[in-house]
Amino acid sequence: EADIYQTPRYLVIGTGKKITLECSQTMGHDKMYWYQQDPGMELHLIHYSYGVNSTEKGDLSSESTVSRIRTEHFPLTLESARPSHTSQYLCASSDRGPRDSPLHFGNGTRLTVT
Amino acid sequence: GENVEQHPSTLSVQEGDSAVIKCTYSDSASNYFPWYKQELGKGPQLIIDIRSNVGEKKDQRIAVTLNKTAKHFSLHITETQPEDSAVYFCAARPSGTYKYIFGTGTRLKVLA
Repeated sequence: EADIYQTPRYLVIGTGKKITLECSQTMGHDKMYWYQQDPGMELHLIHYSYGVNSTEKGDLSSESTVSRIRTEHFPLTLESARPSHTSQYLCASSDRGPRDSPLHFGNGTRLTVT
Repeated sequence: GENVEQHPSTLSVQEGDSAVIKCTYSDSASNYFPWYKQELGKGPQLIIDIRSNVGEKKDQRIAVTLNKTAKHFSLHITETQPEDSAVYFCAARPSGTYKYIFGTGTRLKVLA
């Protein structure tokens, strides 16, 4: 199993709170990604990073922000959570090797905003 | 933009039967196609992948086929077991990018 960790696993917070979802990997992967998974199962890319100090927005517009100060760490922050942010958030990473290096996923954070 | 269509969205089979999930991609330059299995409460895990220079790949009960001309690729699971019950995602990686385009998922139920 891949060594990529997400915390917390579950989070219930009130509207307007600032939250940070943590993601860390110990594999030295240079590429990291955040996906949002809706109840219908679809995976939507919201942020990605090709290395330290590199971050890009994904295909799905998101009010969250990310940072990549260290190779192993890729946290996602919501400045002011809203009920529409309720979802499952999945972090992934892939190797610096060949372009066809697969994604390794964490087990996700299930966020509920009340 | 690029997209991947996946069918069916749900699939129920009897234990021991085969299951087939089909995907179609739009970007003809896509050259890498992984398949992921997601169990309840977990993140997706890679189960098999295929590159564009290969037409078929097999790993025990799981096989993937690729038809580049038709831009189709399929996952075949033989002798299904209850533990195969999960959500399965196909994906395609467009050329020139490290991003993956995922299918919409197939919920497979294997009935004992």
